Amino acid sequence: DIVMTQSPDSLAVSLGERATINCKSSQSVFYSSNNENYLAWYQQKSGQPPKLLIYWASIRGSGVPARFSGSGSGTDFTLTISSLQSEDVAVYYCQQYYSSPVTFGQGTRLEIK
Amino acid sequence: EVHLVESGGGLVQPGRSLKLSCTASGFTFGDYPMSWVRQAPGKGLEWVGFIKSKAYGGTTEYAASVKGRFTISRDDSKSIAYLQMNSLKTEDTAVYYCTKGRGGVHIPGYFDYWGQGTLVTVSS
Repeated sequence: DIVMTQSPDSLAVSLGERATINCKSSQSVFYSSNNENYLAWYQQKSGQPPKLLIYWASIRGSGVPARFSGSGSGTDFTLTISSLQSEDVAVYYCQQYYSSPVTFGQGTRLEIK
Repeated sequence: EVHLVESGGGLVQPGRSLKLSCTASGFTFGDYPMSWVRQAPGKGLEWVGFIKSKAYGGTTEYAASVKGRFTISRDDSKSIAYLQMNSLKTEDTAVYYCTKGRGGVHIPGYFDYWGQGTLVTVSS
């Protein structure tokens, strides 16, 4: 199974500042035949189901604000929130769907400093 | 608008069975793989298993932790996915989410829509 490791486990950022969450996979999730990274990011607010933010490592989901961006390739990926808003307080998960079983990172809790 | 609504959760004793349902609307249900993902209280996300669309065989795959105990099925005429859970253990206690898969036909993919979840509590 591919192990997904996120860092840090928790993060406190001031409003309007940049937040960066990292995700590392135990093996590459890049598929050369279609030039895609099989990596997604989700946001889970308290008491709610997860919401898709990013797929194919860098494509924003429907309705996701432009301040959210994804980058990286192979085994190392980053979720960046360019200017933190109060509504961004949540736990963030990365997920690989390169191979089954699909696996998630352990989550990163993002709070306001 | 896409909606996924889970039902069937509740309190069940260890060793007993429970069947969850996921009723879908707002998309052509039969065209997509459907997965179940669970979240134990205060913990992270764990993929449970998925079922491919009938066009790709309608076959299933499961996480090792539930293989042989859980069974996923689908009724495309009713737009419902099911999760039959047998021989339940206390460690199966979790919120169970139904999800719609994208990004592949032979893989669970990423999950562009999630239900609100249904809580399953396994306790004596």
